[in-house]
Amino acid sequence: EIVLTQSPGTLSLSPGESATFSCRASQSVRSSHLAWYQQKPGQAPRLLIYAASSRATGIPDRFSGSGSGADFTLTISRLEPEDFAVYFCQLYGESPLFTFGPGTKVDIK
Amino acid sequence: QGLLQESGPGLVRPSETLSLTCTVSGYSISSGYYWAWIRQPPGKGLEWIASAHQSGSTYYNPSLKSRVTISLDTSKNQFSLKVTSLTATDTAVYYCARFDYGFGLDFWGQGALVTVSS
Repeated sequence: EIVLTQSPGTLSLSPGESATFSCRASQSVRSSHLAWYQQKPGQAPRLLIYAASSRATGIPDRFSGSGSGADFTLTISRLEPEDFAVYFCQLYGESPLFTFGPGTKVDIK
Repeated sequence: QGLLQESGPGLVRPSETLSLTCTVSGYSISSGYYWAWIRQPPGKGLEWIASAHQSGSTYYNPSLKSRVTISLDTSKNQFSLKVTSLTATDTAVYYCARFDYGFGLDFWGQGALVTVSS
Protein backbone atom coordinates (compact mmCIF):
# COMPACT_ATOMS: atom_id res chain seq x y z
CA GLU A 1 0.00 0.00 0.00
CA ILE A 2 1.35 3.41 -1.02
CA VAL A 3 1.34 6.07 1.71
CA LEU A 4 1.40 9.82 1.04
CA THR A 5 3.02 12.25 3.46
CA GLN A 6 2.72 16.02 3.25
CA SER A 7 4.96 18.69 4.67
CA PRO A 8 4.84 21.00 6.40
CA GLY A 9 1.75 20.33 8.46
CA THR A 10 1.05 24.05 8.75
CA LEU A 11 2.44 27.00 6.83
CA SER A 12 1.96 30.52 8.22
CA LEU A 13 2.28 33.17 5.54
CA SER A 14 1.08 36.65 4.59
CA PRO A 15 -0.99 37.59 1.55
CA GLY A 16 1.26 38.24 -1.40
CA GLU A 17 3.87 35.72 -0.33
CA SER A 18 4.45 32.48 -2.17
CA ALA A 19 3.68 29.07 -0.70
CA THR A 20 5.36 25.80 -1.52
CA PHE A 21 4.48 22.48 -0.02
CA SER A 22 5.40 18.91 -0.56
CA CYS A 23 3.69 15.58 -1.11
CA ARG A 24 5.87 12.49 -0.91
CA ALA A 25 4.84 8.96 -1.79
CA SER A 26 6.28 5.89 -0.10
CA GLN A 27 7.33 4.62 -3.53
CA SER A 28 7.54 5.93 -7.06
CA VAL A 29 4.13 6.58 -8.59
CA ARG A 30 2.71 7.64 -11.92
CA SER A 31 2.66 11.42 -12.00
CA SER A 32 -0.39 11.20 -14.26
CA HIS A 33 -2.29 9.93 -11.22
CA LEU A 34 -1.40 12.64 -8.69
CA ALA A 35 -3.90 15.38 -7.86
CA TRP A 36 -4.12 18.31 -5.45
CA TYR A 37 -7.25 19.63 -3.73
CA GLN A 38 -8.07 22.76 -1.75
CA GLN A 39 -10.52 22.67 1.13
CA LYS A 40 -11.92 25.65 2.97
CA PRO A 41 -13.74 25.35 6.31
CA GLY A 42 -17.23 23.95 5.93
CA GLN A 43 -16.77 23.24 2.23
CA ALA A 44 -16.10 20.21 0.11
CA PRO A 45 -12.64 19.84 -1.39
CA ARG A 46 -12.05 21.41 -4.80
CA LEU A 47 -9.84 19.91 -7.48
CA LEU A 48 -6.90 22.21 -8.23
CA ILE A 49 -4.32 20.15 -10.09
CA TYR A 50 -4.49 16.80 -11.87
CA ALA A 51 -1.76 14.71 -13.46
CA ALA A 52 0.70 16.43 -11.12
CA SER A 53 0.91 19.67 -13.11
CA SER A 54 -2.30 20.39 -15.03
CA ARG A 55 -4.66 22.99 -13.63
CA ALA A 56 -8.31 22.03 -13.37
CA THR A 57 -10.96 24.14 -15.06
CA GLY A 58 -11.21 27.63 -13.60
CA ILE A 59 -8.12 27.40 -11.39
CA PRO A 60 -5.99 30.59 -11.46
CA ASP A 61 -2.50 30.37 -12.89
CA ARG A 62 -0.93 31.32 -9.55
CA PHE A 63 -1.43 27.64 -8.68
CA SER A 64 1.13 25.28 -10.16
CA GLY A 65 2.09 21.68 -9.58
CA SER A 66 5.27 19.83 -10.36
CA GLY A 67 7.16 16.68 -9.58
CA SER A 68 7.68 13.10 -10.58
CA GLY A 69 8.63 9.77 -9.10
CA ALA A 70 7.81 10.01 -5.43
CA ASP A 71 8.11 13.77 -4.85
CA PHE A 72 5.54 16.34 -5.81
CA THR A 73 5.12 20.03 -5.07
CA LEU A 74 2.26 22.51 -5.10
CA THR A 75 3.18 26.17 -5.39
CA ILE A 76 0.96 29.20 -4.95
CA SER A 77 2.88 32.12 -6.41
CA ARG A 78 1.14 35.06 -4.69
CA LEU A 79 -1.23 34.21 -1.88
CA GLU A 80 -4.64 35.80 -2.11
CA PRO A 81 -6.88 36.00 0.98
CA GLU A 82 -9.08 33.24 -0.42
CA ASP A 83 -6.10 30.84 -0.69
CA PHE A 84 -5.81 30.31 3.05
CA ALA A 85 -7.11 26.77 3.33
CA VAL A 86 -6.02 23.15 3.66
CA TYR A 87 -4.39 21.44 0.70
CA PHE A 88 -4.47 17.68 0.15
CA CYS A 89 -2.60 15.60 -2.35
CA GLN A 90 -4.18 12.45 -3.67
CA LEU A 91 -3.00 9.42 -5.61
CA TYR A 92 -5.40 7.38 -7.70
CA GLY A 93 -5.29 4.26 -9.79
CA GLU A 94 -3.13 2.27 -7.41
CA SER A 95 -4.11 -0.12 -4.63
CA PRO A 96 -6.16 1.07 -2.85
CA LEU A 97 -7.85 3.01 -5.66
CA PHE A 98 -7.52 6.34 -3.83
CA THR A 99 -5.07 7.54 -1.23
CA PHE A 100 -5.05 10.99 0.34
CA GLY A 101 -2.23 12.77 2.07
CA PRO A 102 -2.87 14.20 5.55
CA GLY A 103 -2.98 17.78 4.30
CA THR A 104 -1.09 21.05 4.71
CA LYS A 105 -2.87 23.99 6.31
CA VAL A 106 -1.97 27.44 5.04
CA ASP A 107 -2.94 30.06 7.56
CA ILE A 108 -2.46 33.78 7.85
CA LYS A 109 0.63 34.92 9.71
CA GLN B 1 -22.68 22.08 -14.68
CA GLY B 2 -23.46 18.93 -12.75
CA LEU B 3 -24.52 18.67 -9.17
CA LEU B 4 -24.23 15.99 -6.54
CA GLN B 5 -26.32 15.96 -3.38
CA GLU B 6 -25.96 13.61 -0.44
CA SER B 7 -28.96 12.56 1.63
CA GLY B 8 -29.32 10.39 4.69
CA PRO B 9 -29.83 10.42 8.45
CA GLY B 10 -27.83 12.86 10.49
CA LEU B 11 -27.82 10.64 13.57
CA VAL B 12 -27.39 6.89 13.72
CA ARG B 13 -27.07 4.62 16.73
CA PRO B 14 -24.01 2.45 17.35
CA SER B 15 -24.14 -1.03 15.78
CA GLU B 16 -26.78 0.11 13.27
CA THR B 17 -26.43 0.46 9.49
CA LEU B 18 -25.95 3.79 7.72
CA SER B 19 -27.54 4.30 4.32
CA LEU B 20 -26.58 7.32 2.23
CA THR B 21 -27.69 8.31 -1.23
CA CYS B 22 -26.08 10.66 -3.72
CA THR B 23 -28.40 12.17 -6.30
CA VAL B 24 -26.64 13.27 -9.47
CA SER B 25 -28.04 15.92 -11.78
CA GLY B 26 -26.67 17.38 -14.96
CA TYR B 27 -25.08 14.17 -16.22
CA SER B 28 -25.82 10.48 -16.29
CA ILE B 29 -24.11 8.08 -13.91
CA SER B 30 -23.99 5.75 -16.91
CA SER B 31 -21.74 8.17 -18.77
CA GLY B 32 -18.48 6.37 -18.10
CA TYR B 33 -17.29 8.06 -14.95
CA TYR B 34 -16.50 6.49 -11.62
CA TRP B 35 -18.51 7.48 -8.55
CA ALA B 36 -17.02 7.71 -5.10
CA TRP B 37 -17.72 8.11 -1.41
CA ILE B 38 -15.18 9.88 0.79
CA ARG B 39 -15.50 10.81 4.45
CA GLN B 40 -13.86 13.25 6.80
CA PRO B 41 -14.04 12.91 10.60
CA PRO B 42 -14.37 16.26 12.39
CA GLY B 43 -11.07 18.14 12.26
CA LYS B 44 -9.30 15.35 10.38
CA GLY B 45 -8.27 14.42 6.86
CA LEU B 46 -10.00 12.74 3.96
CA GLU B 47 -10.59 9.00 3.79
CA TRP B 48 -11.71 7.26 0.61
CA ILE B 49 -14.43 4.70 1.29
CA ALA B 50 -15.56 3.14 -1.99
CA SER B 51 -16.03 3.68 -5.73
CA ALA B 52 -18.15 2.19 -8.47
CA HIS B 53 -18.32 2.28 -12.26
CA GLN B 54 -21.24 1.71 -14.58
CA SER B 55 -19.55 -1.46 -15.80
CA GLY B 56 -20.36 -3.03 -12.45
CA SER B 57 -16.86 -2.74 -11.06
CA THR B 58 -16.64 -1.75 -7.42
CA TYR B 59 -13.62 -0.80 -5.34
CA TYR B 60 -13.30 -0.58 -1.58
CA ASN B 61 -10.88 0.77 0.97
CA PRO B 62 -9.40 -2.42 2.47
CA SER B 63 -9.79 -1.03 5.97
CA LEU B 64 -13.57 -0.69 5.49
CA LYS B 65 -14.32 -3.37 2.93
CA SER B 66 -15.98 -5.80 5.32
CA ARG B 67 -18.56 -3.19 6.36
CA VAL B 68 -19.39 -1.15 3.26
CA THR B 69 -21.32 -1.60 0.04
CA ILE B 70 -21.58 0.83 -2.85
CA SER B 71 -24.21 0.55 -5.55
CA LEU B 72 -25.47 2.46 -8.59
CA ASP B 73 -29.14 3.00 -9.48
CA THR B 74 -29.14 4.15 -13.09
CA SER B 75 -32.94 4.43 -13.20
CA LYS B 76 -32.82 7.15 -10.54
CA ASN B 77 -29.39 8.53 -11.47
CA GLN B 78 -28.26 7.91 -7.92
CA PHE B 79 -25.60 5.95 -6.14
CA SER B 80 -25.63 4.74 -2.58
CA LEU B 81 -23.45 3.67 0.31
CA LYS B 82 -24.22 1.31 3.16
CA VAL B 83 -22.00 1.05 6.21
CA THR B 84 -22.76 -1.62 8.78
CA SER B 85 -21.81 -2.11 12.44
CA LEU B 86 -21.35 1.58 13.10
CA THR B 87 -19.21 2.92 15.93
CA ALA B 88 -18.37 6.44 17.07
CA THR B 89 -15.30 6.39 14.83
CA ASP B 90 -17.63 6.42 11.82
CA THR B 91 -18.79 9.92 12.79
CA ALA B 92 -17.80 12.10 9.85
CA VAL B 93 -18.89 14.30 7.00
CA TYR B 94 -19.63 11.95 4.11
CA TYR B 95 -19.02 13.27 0.60
CA CYS B 96 -20.04 11.83 -2.74
CA ALA B 97 -17.98 12.74 -5.78
CA ARG B 98 -17.45 12.06 -9.45
CA PHE B 99 -14.12 10.61 -10.50
CA ASP B 100 -12.90 11.26 -14.00
CA TYR B 101 -9.98 8.90 -14.59
CA GLY B 102 -6.96 10.99 -15.48
CA PHE B 103 -8.44 14.12 -13.93
CA GLY B 104 -9.32 13.23 -10.36
CA LEU B 105 -12.37 13.89 -8.24
CA ASP B 106 -13.74 16.80 -10.20
CA PHE B 107 -17.23 17.28 -8.77
CA TRP B 108 -18.22 16.91 -5.13
CA GLY B 109 -21.40 17.06 -3.14
CA GLN B 110 -21.62 19.52 -0.27
CA GLY B 111 -21.25 16.75 2.30
CA ALA B 112 -23.54 15.20 4.89
CA LEU B 113 -22.63 15.07 8.56
CA VAL B 114 -23.36 11.72 10.14
CA THR B 115 -23.06 11.34 13.89
CA VAL B 116 -22.96 7.92 15.48
CA SER B 117 -24.26 8.19 19.01
CA SER B 118 -26.74 6.58 21.34
